[in-house]
Formats: sequence, structure tokens, C-alpha cells
Amino acid sequence: QSALTQPASVSGSPGESITISCIGTSSDVGGYNYVSWYQQHPGKVPKLMIYDVTSRPSGISNRFSGSKSGNTASLTISGLQAEDEADYYCSSYTSSSTLVFGTGTKVTVL
Amino acid sequence: QLQLRESGPGLVKPSETLSLTCTVSGGSISSSTYYWDWIRQPPGKGLEWIGSIHYHGSSYISPALKSRVTISVETSRNQFSLRLRSVTAADTAVYYCARQFWTGWWIDPWGQGTLVTVSS
Repeated sequence: QSALTQPASVSGSPGESITISCIGTSSDVGGYNYVSWYQQHPGKVPKLMIYDVTSRPSGISNRFSGSKSGNTASLTISGLQAEDEADYYCSSYTSSSTLVFGTGTKVTVL
Repeated sequence: QLQLRESGPGLVKPSETLSLTCTVSGGSISSSTYYWDWIRQPPGKGLEWIGSIHYHGSSYISPALKSRVTISVETSRNQFSLRLRSVTAADTAVYYCARQFWTGWWIDPWGQGTLVTVSS
């Protein structure tokens, strides 16, 4: 199974909105509503931000939102803040009953 | 609050077996709602899913690692374990254990991670 494809980097100014894409196939992203997103600050443990494509865990800001269209899932961060600067990873369940992560995206707040 | 902690050697020689244990506290590993996962991250690189196990023993393993990986669970100790055989330098990584919600395959929480270096 190949990793899901994410842009290597995305940047934005404080207050702006950015969107990170996560491209898969009909055997993973496109086939199931089991896409999750994780935030990882340098040297820290990954943190669940979105699950089941659009759901936010308790305590996660509503500035973070998820969506999906076809084989592409997206994470949007609105009202970008300095603390949002981190690496972001998507993941998806696959038709082989496995989990696959995305390649990761570094978000920079300008 | 559920917590997970990885333990095991931080240095493994090439061709030998990497063995890690994850101890779960603040909750029972014997729940039908969850699987228990191993995930790794080579230094400076992305996340790689290794596999997951349910308390009753069913498991799923990454095809890329299936020939070398065994994941087991010991409910009496509230622990699950990873064995990775025939390691090379490419297996050097931070290894995380974590809880997976089986209904959506999302992962939360994660252990702190443990760095395992493969070197002679």
C-alpha cells in the first residue's frame, strides 16, 4: 500500500485560512469515511484533530475542519494562529483492513 | 485518563529482533471497542503504521512488514507487544503504541514514543 499524498508544505499568514489535501484511491480515502488527521509539533506526540472525515474530538478548536470529495480528503485551518505551525498527517482505513498514513505536510505561519 | 507507555531496549543490533512492550494504564485493554496499535516514525520522516491487535487476539499487520512482525496481547498484564525480526538500520525510528477506535480506525491517545536505534 502506498502512502497517501500530501503537499510537503503549506503556509499562510495569521488569520488566514489554509487547506491541506490528502490524495488516495478508491481503496482507501474514496471508499470509506474513515479519514483522520493528526497534528505533530516538533519532538512531540501526534494529536488527533479530526476523525471520520469531519468529526472533531472534544477540546479541538472549531477552526479545524475536515471534508472529502472523491479520493481526496482535506483539512482546513481557519483563522491561522502561530500555534498551528506543525506537521499534519492524514490517515485512512484501507480495503485490505490496514491503515495508511499520508506523507505529511509542514504548516508554516508567516 | 488512559495512558500508554512503551518500554524496551533503545539499541538493537542488525539482524536481531526488536522487542517492545506497551503498558496500558487508566483503562482496560480488554474492551471490544478498541484495537491496540504500533506506529513508527524514522528520524525526520513521516508516520508508518505497523499493525494492530484486539484483546481477543485478532490482528492486522502492514503488508510491508508482515513477514517480520508479530504483535501479541497479554490481557492479565494490560499489555501488548511488538516483535520485529531481522532488523536493519532502516528500522531505526521512534516507535509509538496507541489506542485505535475500531469503528473508524482513528488513533487516540498515543504513547510518548521510544527511540530504537539499530546499530552494531
